[in-house]
Amino acid sequence: DAMVIQNPRYQVTQFGKPVTLSCSQTLNHNVMYWYQQKSSQAPKLLFHYYDKDFNNEADTPDNFQSRRPNTSFCFLDIRSPGLGDAAMYLCATSRARPRTQYFGPGTRLLVL
Amino acid sequence: EDQVTQSPEALRLQEGESSSLNCSYTVSGLRGLFWYRQDPGKGPEFLFTLYSAGEEKEKERLKATLTKKESFLHITAPKPEDSATYLCAVLGYNFGNEKLTFGTGTRLTIIP
Repeated sequence: DAMVIQNPRYQVTQFGKPVTLSCSQTLNHNVMYWYQQKSSQAPKLLFHYYDKDFNNEADTPDNFQSRRPNTSFCFLDIRSPGLGDAAMYLCATSRARPRTQYFGPGTRLLVL
Repeated sequence: EDQVTQSPEALRLQEGESSSLNCSYTVSGLRGLFWYRQDPGKGPEFLFTLYSAGEEKEKERLKATLTKKESFLHITAPKPEDSATYLCAVLGYNFGNEKLTFGTGTRLTIIP
């Protein structure tokens, strides 16, 4: 089945220690998104790629970076995680049209 | 700025007791309204897309409707497995950019 895969499902890191989350897709969608979701809150868009074009949300902290080496993979790098970065990180993909977004299972990040 | 408000925040129903969830929105250039189901610790699962007022979509016990200001997710004769958080999101278009804005969801509990 075509799908969005995120690894790892759970990640524990230490305060200030860089961490990388990964997302892969077999849907062949050209748009990929990263969201942050905290408990009982709406998912918050961090950035998205339209093919290779990177689009950063204005309020995404500089601590968050992303890479998309090819169509199938996208990475979220958190350079110096703080306690406030503990959250569920969701990857989603869509076609250009329609923009229905399909989500992966998420990575739960814990910062100690 | 696009806004999505969902009500109620939480809803407890007896099995078989039908009800409706509300999603009211303000958006620049609506490109679509989406309903997702999210189980605890998992990514949102796509349910429906609605594009224009008057449109309706159905899937099993769920039916989504859309007006110019709000959408309803009707649940008929729910079962315990329908327990989840239901998220509404609008895709708005502003200054050449499309962005999906989520509500905070309605947490639905179906009691056997």
